[in-house]
Amino acid sequence: GENVEQHPSTLSVQEGDSAVIKCTYSDSASNYFPWYKQELGKRPQLIIDIRSNVGEKKDQRIAVTLNKTAKHFSLHITETQPEDSAVYFCAASVSGGYNKLIFGAGTRLAVHP
Amino acid sequence: DTGVSQDPRHKITKRGQNVTFRCDPISEHNRLYWYRQTLGQGPEFLTYFQNEAQLEKSRLLSDRFSAERPKGSFSTLEIQRTEQGDSAMYLCASTAMGGPGELFFGEGSRLTVL
Repeated sequence: GENVEQHPSTLSVQEGDSAVIKCTYSDSASNYFPWYKQELGKRPQLIIDIRSNVGEKKDQRIAVTLNKTAKHFSLHITETQPEDSAVYFCAASVSGGYNKLIFGAGTRLAVHP
Repeated sequence: DTGVSQDPRHKITKRGQNVTFRCDPISEHNRLYWYRQTLGQGPEFLTYFQNEAQLEKSRLLSDRFSAERPKGSFSTLEIQRTEQGDSAMYLCASTAMGGPGELFFGEGSRLTVL
C-alpha cells in the first residue's frame, strides 16, 4: 500500500549546525512532496514543497531535494536556530493526483543553543 | 481569523458515547480533508470532500465513523460508540481546487475517550 517512511525519528543538533531529514515513498505515481512543521500544540504548517518535475528547491535556510528514481526526498536546514525546534513531517501525494497526502511519522528536531 | 477553524478543541467522553466535530474551512476552498493524529505519529488520512461530495474514505475508517459536508462549506465528523482507541487529535484541512497545493490545517479537535 501507500507508505512514506521518515528518518530519523529524533534529531539533536547544536545551533548553527545543519540538519537533514530523509523520506522514502512507495507510490511511483506520487508527484507532490510537501514538508510540514508542527510546533508543540500547534497545527502543521507548510514550510516548503517540491513537485516531481524539479530536483531541488531552496527557500533561504531550507532546501528540499528529490530523487524520483530512488523515491527519496530530503529536507535540509542550514544554520539551525532554536526556533527551528519542532516536529517535521514529510508527505507524498498518492493516486497520481493531488487529492490526498500520506505523511511520514515525523522527526523531532531539537536545536540546542 | 480566516483560517480553518475546528470545534470543539477538546472533547472528553466516556466509552460508548457519540461525539461530533465540526470544521469550517477557508471560505474559497473546495477541498476538505479529515486526518487523525496520534502521539508521535504523522497525520493519517481519514476522508476527503470535493465540494459536498465525499470522494474517498480510508479503509481504516470503521462504520462507526461518518463525515458529511452537506452544502459544500462546513463539515462534520461523527464517531459513534466511541472506543478508547479513538482517542486522538482530529485534524481538518482545506485547499483550493486545481493542482497541488498547500493543505491548510485547523488547530484540531482532541478527543479523549475514558
